[in-house]
Amino acid sequence: GAVVSQHPSRVICKSGTSVKIECRSLDFQATTMFWYRQFPKQSLMLMATSNEGSKATYEQGVEKDKFLINHASLTLSTLTVTSAHPEDSSFYICSARDGRALSYGYTFGSGTRLTVV
Amino acid sequence: GQSLEQPSEVTAVEGAIVQINCTYQTSGFYGLSWYQQHDGGAPTFLSYNGLDGLEETGRFSSFLSRSDSYGYLLLQELQMKDSASYFCAVRDQAAGNKLTFGGGTRVLVKP
Repeated sequence: GAVVSQHPSRVICKSGTSVKIECRSLDFQATTMFWYRQFPKQSLMLMATSNEGSKATYEQGVEKDKFLINHASLTLSTLTVTSAHPEDSSFYICSARDGRALSYGYTFGSGTRLTVV
Repeated sequence: GQSLEQPSEVTAVEGAIVQINCTYQTSGFYGLSWYQQHDGGAPTFLSYNGLDGLEETGRFSSFLSRSDSYGYLLLQELQMKDSASYFCAVRDQAAGNKLTFGGGTRVLVKP
C-alpha cells in the first residue's frame, strides 16, 4: 500500500530557531499533500494544503510566513516552522492520497513531535 | 464549512461491542471516513462510506445515512489493542480534497 515517510520523528529546538520537517511519498506521486497539527488529546487540525509546483493553501488563522511549505517535487513536501516559540510545540503530521489506489483512505506520515524550549 | 460531532470518550470491556456515532454538517459531501490513532502514532485508515448502508471490514463496521447526516463506527469483539482514538472525517472535493476531522472518540478497553 501507499507509504508516506516523515522526518524527523522528534525534534527539540531552542526558541527563535527554525525547524524543517520533511514528508515523502515513497511509492506514489502526490500532487497534493496536507499538513496537520495536533495538540495532546485533541483532533487533527488542517494547517495547509501543499500543491506541487504552486503555492500552498493555508487554513484560516495559520500564518503563512511562520509555517513555510514547499512542495518542489511530486514526492516531497516540507514544512518549516520559522522562529519557533514554545506555543508551536505540537505533533505535526503530513498526509497524502495515492490517486491510483482503489481505497478512499489517506495515508499519514508517522508524525513529528516538536518541542520548543 | 465542515463540522463533525462525535462523543469524546467511551469505555468498554474486552469482548464487548462499541458504537461511535458521528453527525456532520458539510457544504459538499463526498463520503465519511474513519481513522484510528494510537497514542503517539499516526492515524490509520479504517473504513469509508460513500453511499448509505453498512460496510463491514472484519471486526469493524461503518454505517452511513446521508439523509440524516449521520454515521457510526461499530467495533465488535473488543480487544485491548483497540484502545485508541477514533476519528470520523469528511472530504471536501471542492477544496482540494482536504479532510476535516471530528473531535475524536477515545476508546478505553478494560480487561
